[in-house]
Amino acid sequence: DAKTTQPTSMDCAEGRAANLPCNHSTISGNEYVYWYRQIHSQGPQYIIHGLKNNETNEMASLIITEDRKSSTLILPHATLRDTAVYYCIVRPSNTGNQFYFGTGTSLTVIP
Amino acid sequence: GAVVSQHPSWVICKSGTSVKIECRSLDFQATTMFWYRQFPKQSLMLMATSNEGSKATYEQGVEKDKFLINHASLTLSTLTVTSAHPEDSSFYICSARDLLAGVNSGELFFGEGSRLTVL
Repeated sequence: DAKTTQPTSMDCAEGRAANLPCNHSTISGNEYVYWYRQIHSQGPQYIIHGLKNNETNEMASLIITEDRKSSTLILPHATLRDTAVYYCIVRPSNTGNQFYFGTGTSLTVIP
Repeated sequence: GAVVSQHPSWVICKSGTSVKIECRSLDFQATTMFWYRQFPKQSLMLMATSNEGSKATYEQGVEKDKFLINHASLTLSTLTVTSAHPEDSSFYICSARDLLAGVNSGELFFGEGSRLTVL
């Protein structure tokens, strides 16, 4: 079962930073936070993941609060191609493998 | 990144027939693959975990006799929807982890999905 809560939808102006929040208040100490996105009618695409420290890659930045109960995915300069459903996933450490998707946030980048 | 390929990308079949969907990891080996189903405007639902050389593990509520999974090699898993009915119409997506990736570091790579329409 999904262990995360995300807003259903968000809008962002093209060129501006998109900040997508995720609440995972029941996260365990060794569970990772993963972010994926799904563009319409395609398979999900990996964005970034982290455990405790903030992470950055060529796609996005991940900010995890000190208590690890929430995180924020930041797309620094949103483009129209970033319009997608963004999923925040906490991966159960006992199984080590399965990813359970929540409802995600539908991000619309507006010209 | 690693590539997972699904075939066919879309299929239309008559009610009562069986349909096989293939999932291949093209440039890495995967002892474990996962099958998801997604209905319109809904999230992905994990159906089963496919284990190379052994039986698949099904999520609660998923009929193992209806959704047959075979994982015969480290690069191929198949999902067969048996005696398909219109309510089985959905977007089926597979995913895989690189065998060589660490348990905590490896992301899942997803296929492009296979859209099944049962008439």
